[in-house]
Amino acid sequence: KAGVTQTPRYLIKTRGQQVTLSCSPISGHRSVSWYQQTPGQGLQFLFEYFSETQRNKGNFPGRFSGRQFSNSRSEMNVSTLELGDSALYLCASSLRQGADEQYFGPGTRLTVT
Amino acid sequence: AQSVTQPDIHITVSEGASLELRCNYSYGATPYLFWYVQSPGQGLQLLLKYFSGDTLVQGIKGFEAEFKRSQSSFNLRKPSVHWSDAAEYFCAVGARWEGGSGGGADGLTFGKGTHLIIQP
Repeated sequence: KAGVTQTPRYLIKTRGQQVTLSCSPISGHRSVSWYQQTPGQGLQFLFEYFSETQRNKGNFPGRFSGRQFSNSRSEMNVSTLELGDSALYLCASSLRQGADEQYFGPGTRLTVT
Repeated sequence: AQSVTQPDIHITVSEGASLELRCNYSYGATPYLFWYVQSPGQGLQLLLKYFSGDTLVQGIKGFEAEFKRSQSSFNLRKPSVHWSDAAEYFCAVGARWEGGSGGGADGLTFGKGTHLIIQP
């Protein structure tokens, strides 16, 4: 069974721009969660989608948004990029929503200049 | 709110020696507990999980962890480490959800991680 895939793997953007990251979960998994990983803050939960609905949300500004499609694929969007948004963005999928065993993708490394 | 503390930022162990990585959590009830490992430039790989039942859980790569409710701990152990075990290790906690369809109420809360260095 294929694992979680994330595209693109690397991205360089300029302050003020917006970016969209994509995540394809493991086949059969209906939950997709997004995390931001930085050296200073560590791993922080962004949000979770289950059956195309946002179920949980972390403490991030409204510039961070996401959606999930009927095939469970998910996208995350960050508008008006700031330097502090530079991070590794990880997507994880699971069978059930919430604190289930989550399987992570390799991440998208976003650099904002 | 739930929280996780991994007291050791770095740990150095000789190859072949035993390993114990500490994890303490804060949560009002019995949580779901996880250990993940991350190699440089990679995503996280699930090592093991505790949901309920036997408090000693076995995982992949020869790792095990013990849930101790009285100490709010979920320490990771391995009897003999290999050079390939060098990586970043994360403990995570998730809230149980009593909604009936399984899973938890919120996303996972991760500790800051422990960087494991293996000496030859």
